[in-house]
Amino acid sequence: DAKTTQPNSMESNEEEPVHLPCNHSTISGTDYIHWYRQLPSQGPEYVIHGLTSNVNNRMASLAIAEDRKSSTLIRHRATLRDAAVYYCILRPNQGGKLIFGQGTELSVKP
Amino acid sequence: NAGVTQTPKFQVLKTGQSMTLQCAQDMNHEYMSWYRQDPGMGLRLIHYSVGAGITDQGEVPNGYNVSRSTTEDFPLRLLSAAPSQTSVYFCASTGGLAGGYNEQFFGPGTRLTVL
Repeated sequence: DAKTTQPNSMESNEEEPVHLPCNHSTISGTDYIHWYRQLPSQGPEYVIHGLTSNVNNRMASLAIAEDRKSSTLIRHRATLRDAAVYYCILRPNQGGKLIFGQGTELSVKP
Repeated sequence: NAGVTQTPKFQVLKTGQSMTLQCAQDMNHEYMSWYRQDPGMGLRLIHYSVGAGITDQGEVPNGYNVSRSTTEDFPLRLLSAAPSQTSVYFCASTGGLAGGYNEQFFGPGTRLTVL
């Protein structure tokens, strides 16, 4: 299973944009890039995913490098509720197990 | 839809006891999986299933058994609980044969303590 590398922790200020990076240099051509987050004392929740093109949804934007070896999750205006652990995961297109890494713990300051 | 449901929410066992953690989903998803999360750690995959009658091991399968007799249910059995199995257990499911293009839905978790 291809691995991802994320910073252990990041800080942001409320109402400012947040850019969470993820490196996945061994990504294969059929791996989707998934992002999940886990709020304190809750199960993980889906945020966004993409394959090659940048993606936007109501929760976030996903910017994927042209060579697909890295990606960035973007929250355009951080809120206090965005404080969570964010996981970047590669999911194979067929029979796709989701293997979690350590994630990035995001803290948001008022 | 109720989504992914798990029972019980909390459980305390003594070493050597057995129990089954229940997981059900009402989204007609083929793919289901179990994870454990130890304090301050990420999730680790225990077992998964790509459909009724088919199961496979994940990263940390030892001490756990699973079966998948229906699409809806995916129970996790601890045959002889050990303190090292104290953890929070999450069940998850994905539609579309777990294609990478589909999101995974998680249950609320079961907090298990083994004394």
